[in-house]
Amino acid sequence: QVQLVESGGGVVQPGRSLRLSCVASGFTFSSYGMHWVRQAPGRGLEWVAVIWYDGNDKYYADSVKGRFSISRDNSRNIMHLQMNSLRVEDTAVYYCVRESGGGDSVVWGQGTLVTVSS
Amino acid sequence: DIQMTQSPSTLSASVGDRVTITCRASQSISRWLAWYQQKPGKAPKLLIYKASTLENGVPSRFSGSESGTEFTLTISPLQPDDFATYYCQHYQSYSPWTFGQGTKVEI
Repeated sequence: QVQLVESGGGVVQPGRSLRLSCVASGFTFSSYGMHWVRQAPGRGLEWVAVIWYDGNDKYYADSVKGRFSISRDNSRNIMHLQMNSLRVEDTAVYYCVRESGGGDSVVWGQGTLVTVSS
Repeated sequence: DIQMTQSPSTLSASVGDRVTITCRASQSISRWLAWYQQKPGKAPKLLIYKASTLENGVPSRFSGSESGTEFTLTISPLQPDDFATYYCQHYQSYSPWTFGQGTKVEI
């Protein structure tokens, strides 16, 4: 079945780096745009970044621009979010999300928790 | 950048009520508007896309409508399982998304 599984979350000190991964299965990964969306504890949903189906274009939220980098490897059905210069306010559950398309609905992963704390 | 203003932030209701949540876009977004339901500790669940199209498997008591840049989610009649937080979302393929601030529907 269609599935997205995130990993790589954990506790990290401010200023350090972390890389999140999202492994896709059950669909043709290379045909879909992919997003990262985050949710700080007790807060709303915040869009983070998007990468085109072929990886050739990327967009970022202003809050992470210059610090985070989204990438994908279509040969391995995997997407990454490289997070550098982490701040306390980056603490959140990070969700991997597949766009809808071709009659298919949007798909969300279960999320991975990133905690930035000294 | 397009902003989505969602109201109210909290809504108190009873089982059987008709509840309405509103989302206003800062500019025209055509019908690129989705509604999600989220329960604690869970990923959001898509309810409606393209402003008024019900996602497969979503009960018909959920409905969406639009009037210009104002979009509405209606739940009628409210069921016990519907107590949750709801978000509107402006979306387009391969573009940044924008979420509303969320509406918590509580007893």
